This record gives sequence, structure tokens and C-alpha cells, in this order.
Amino acid sequence: GEDVEQSLFLSVREGDSSVINCTYTDSSSTYLYWYKQEPGAGLQLLTYIFSNMDMKQDQRLTVLLNKKDKHLSLRIADTQTGDSAIYFCAEDGAGSYQLTFGKGTKLSVIP
Amino acid sequence: SQTIHQWPATLVQPVGSPLSLECTVEGTSNPNLYWYRQAAGRGLQLLFYSVGIGQISSEVPQNLSASRPQDRQFILSSKKLLLSDSGFYLCAWMGSMGYTFGSGTRLTVV
Repeated sequence: GEDVEQSLFLSVREGDSSVINCTYTDSSSTYLYWYKQEPGAGLQLLTYIFSNMDMKQDQRLTVLLNKKDKHLSLRIADTQTGDSAIYFCAEDGAGSYQLTFGKGTKLSVIP
Repeated sequence: SQTIHQWPATLVQPVGSPLSLECTVEGTSNPNLYWYRQAAGRGLQLLFYSVGIGQISSEVPQNLSASRPQDRQFILSSKKLLLSDSGFYLCAWMGSMGYTFGSGTRLTVV
């Protein structure tokens, strides 16, 4: 079945860039997503990318997609303490009724 | 605009007691609705999904059940809770751009 893999932890210093990586197996994905979960809260959609795009930039966020290698990354520029959260990668699979999520990467920002 | 409401936010229940968590969606019709559980390991486990009234699909056999009595209402239930039912429960609906999640219910079974 479909699988989405992420590293579990990432620690960066405030002001540095964070890069969270994700690999997936379903080559028929239409959209790929990044969700952010702050402590005790639900998941919020952070950004997404259409599968025929290589890059999408939104303020401090840059999403890179390598469809050939099935690799997705999220770069957060000038990381702030408020960026500390768990980040989930997800893909939809063509015509799928559901999203497949990675286990989440816990980003810790050191002041 | 579409909104999703989930309650209660926290719940502490004894083993063997019943459970009812409710989720409602506003601003959309005939949504696909989902119940997820997030245990201590942080991954999201899909429990149930529904594509319409009375239509429930179960992804994982367990002590829980789900119902969809109205188009925009999705209920997660249990007749007798187990300790292993503790976790963070999330309701979601699928729109044109992925899921929108509720704020979650933290369930602790004691």
C-alpha cells in the first residue's frame, strides 16, 4: 500500500533555516500537503503543492517536489520559536477518498 | 465559509463507561467525513470515514463505532471504553484542498 516516510525529529537554532523531508511511494498523487500541529491542537493545513509543480513559495515557506524520486521537502526560512510544532506530510493518491500521512516531524527551535 | 466543530475538547472517562464524541461541519453539503486517532507515537490512525448519511467504513477493527445520522454530523461512540482507547481524536472533512481538521478531543480512560 501507499506509504509516507518522515524523520521524527529536527532541531534548529532560531533564525536558521529548517528543512523537513518526506518520501512517498504513490506515484499517482495529485496533491501533496504539509500540515502543522501545535501542542494540544488539531492539524492545520500549512501549504500544498500540485504534483506537476517543482516548487512553491509562500512567504517563509518553500516546498520542493522531486516527483521522479518521490521526495517532498518543506523549508522554513528564518525559523522562529513559534514554528516549533509537529509537521505532517500527506499525499492524496489519484482518486483517493483519503489522505495518507507520514508520522510527523517534531521541529524544536532553540532560542 | 466552511467550519468544523468538535467537542468536547477534553474528556476523562472510567474504564467500561460509554463514549460519544460529536463532530459537525458547516458551510458544505455531503462532505466526506473522517475520524482519526493520534496516540502517543504521534502518527495518525484512520478509524472511520463516511461518504454520506448512514454510510460508514471502518478501517481498523476495534472497540469503537461511528454513525452519521445527518449529512453534516459524524459521531464516534463506544459502549465500553478500554484503557487502550486513550488518545487524541480528530475529526476531519475533505474539501477541494485536502482535509480540514477539528480542534481534537483528548480522551483519557482511567
